[in-house]
Amino acid sequence: DVKVTQSSRYLVKRTGEKVFLECVQDMDHENMFWYRQDPGLGLRLIYFSYDVKMKEKGDIPEGYSVSREKKERFSLILESASTNQTSMYLCASTRQGGNTIYFGEGSWLTVV
Amino acid sequence: GQNIDQPTEMTATEGAIVQINCTYQTSGFNGLFWYQQHAGEAPTFLSYNVLDGLEEKGRFSSFLSRSKGYSYLLLKELQMKDSASYLCAFMDSNYQLIWGAGTKLIIKP
Repeated sequence: DVKVTQSSRYLVKRTGEKVFLECVQDMDHENMFWYRQDPGLGLRLIYFSYDVKMKEKGDIPEGYSVSREKKERFSLILESASTNQTSMYLCASTRQGGNTIYFGEGSWLTVV
Repeated sequence: GQNIDQPTEMTATEGAIVQINCTYQTSGFNGLFWYQQHAGEAPTFLSYNVLDGLEEKGRFSSFLSRSKGYSYLLLKELQMKDSASYLCAFMDSNYQLIWGAGTKLIIKP
């Protein structure tokens, strides 16, 4: 069974804190993505990566950074969390040229 | 530019049939996806269409017309467990996925 694992399902952080969201996939996929999902707005791409140590900005990268030191792991970093980053974050992966995207279970982040 | 549109919410009756439409505009196209997402859960893959026509998978079917920029997801013999949001997305010429906001489907007994 394919698996995309997000280590934290529910987090509550204070404004200004540094937040790490970890994502690991066991399918040897080249492509990995971080989305946020807010009611009425659909999935919005934050960052993506096509290879180790490679990253590309998505539609809403401001306030976020990412790290891909190993093929199976893609981390999303909020350097200084703000209340407008309260959201559900979804990690996903696909193989190169693949036609199915696999999602993790999501991480619900609340910034207070 | 690129855009994608689907209805915000639909209501249907258990045992009935419902069609969820999705329209899109893009200069480059590499396929259209439908995903199901139950509240509080991650989206799960339903279908992928890259050629025109109807793809059937059990109670669910997906249709694509590339010339019209149009797709629909057809759900037959609706069950209460089909209550969920249905997300439409197309893959553009750069193999990026562009997502609709999702259609919340409410099933009534």
